[in-house]
Amino acid sequence: AQSVTQLGSHVSVSEGALVLLRCNYSSSVPPYLFWYVQYPNQGLQLLLKYTSAATLVKGINDFEAEFKKSETSLHLTKPSAHMSDAAEYFCAVSGNTGKLIFGQGTTLQVKP
Amino acid sequence: DAGVIQSPRHEVTEMGQEVTLRCKPISGHNSLFWYRQTMMRGLELLIYFNNNVPIDDSGMPEDRFSAKMPNASFSTLKIQPSEPRDSAVYFCASSLTRGSSYEQYFGPGTRLTVT
Repeated sequence: AQSVTQLGSHVSVSEGALVLLRCNYSSSVPPYLFWYVQYPNQGLQLLLKYTSAATLVKGINDFEAEFKKSETSLHLTKPSAHMSDAAEYFCAVSGNTGKLIFGQGTTLQVKP
Repeated sequence: DAGVIQSPRHEVTEMGQEVTLRCKPISGHNSLFWYRQTMMRGLELLIYFNNNVPIDDSGMPEDRFSAKMPNASFSTLKIQPSEPRDSAVYFCASSLTRGSSYEQYFGPGTRLTVT
């Protein structure tokens, strides 16, 4: 069975500061891992995906994530936060069934 | 590609009325998912289809909810009769589950308000 834990339901950073959103997973098979972003009143948009091809994954809008098998994690980072990054971020894991198991989400607040 | 298309975008109805939500998945995708999102429960998977066949409907809250996928390019989620607690945003998503990593692409959602 797969599961996802996102540490911190709310994260607040200043504009220009580093963004770090944490995601830990549990999976009995080699996982596919995803980060999605949801802007207010919109659907979820794929930010990046990890498929075991490389441990460092680059996504859209300068986000990236590093897969650490020993820590069962795929934390999301961005070097410099923009006001437009304020949104809810979801981590998800997929095994081999096609279903995605989502975390509870982390709301990112960016302060001017 | 137009992405996943959902209609209507907003629906306001009275308790007891029938509500039908519609979804057109991305062309070529073979799996379709219906989700519900609320502040209290977050994002919940209601049902998913693979090659037009329902695979897992364990998330459907009760018999008032039903979903169909008559062909590869169309699906409906029906609530009959609707209740105020059904108020939520309903998302449809599609994916390709053959030789891929199963990423899902979401539609813009239907915001349902039941008064």
